Amino acid sequence: TQLLEQSPQFLSIQEGENLTVYCNSSSVFSSLQWYRQEPGEGPVLLVTVVTGGEVKKLKRLTFQFGDARKDSSLHITAAQPGDTGLYLCAGARGGKLIFGQGTELSVKP
Amino acid sequence: EAGVVQSPRYKIIEKKQPVAFWCNPISGHNTLYWYRQNLGQGPELLIRYENEEAVDDSQLPKDRFSAERLKGVDSTLKIQPAELGDSAVYLCASSLGGTSHNEQFFGPGTRLTVL
Repeated sequence: TQLLEQSPQFLSIQEGENLTVYCNSSSVFSSLQWYRQEPGEGPVLLVTVVTGGEVKKLKRLTFQFGDARKDSSLHITAAQPGDTGLYLCAGARGGKLIFGQGTELSVKP
Repeated sequence: EAGVVQSPRYKIIEKKQPVAFWCNPISGHNTLYWYRQNLGQGPELLIRYENEEAVDDSQLPKDRFSAERLKGVDSTLKIQPAELGDSAVYLCASSLGGTSHNEQFFGPGTRLTVL
């Protein structure tokens, strides 16, 4: 059983489209992180959200932490081919990170 | 500043053979993590070190996996003997502190294939 469920698992869109990736759990986390991983590389941290309801923006990426700190979303506006990659959410609990299974995003020019 | 260094990048072995992975964390990072990432999945923590002490090894299959970080800097993860199901990417990460809010910096990983 996956503690953190990400959806969708795969997403293929055209350049310029918007998209949202969801990260859901029945458990509360003290914080939640979003990572992006490219083939043959390790994950790279994009953002950490700590407070329930918190919204953070990173250029065309908007991250939101749910009010109850159980879920999060990542919204990308006007996706570009350079956004292609595996997006991972990770919840912090008990001194460790628990990762979701990832969302594989492909943005076609 | 150099990132987390891992070697080898790729390893192909036959089942029942031993294998070892090496990790050099970012200078000054006291906390070191080893993760396993299966295809199409997120990383799963195997072991976490604070300096030379393993503070969380609850997910490490201790019958065949071992790890060490003798001087609190670089670390080695060993599998002996390897099984087919051990095929995965083994990621090393480091951070300044041990709290989960701290950013973890990942190495490129070692892709292990067990035949």
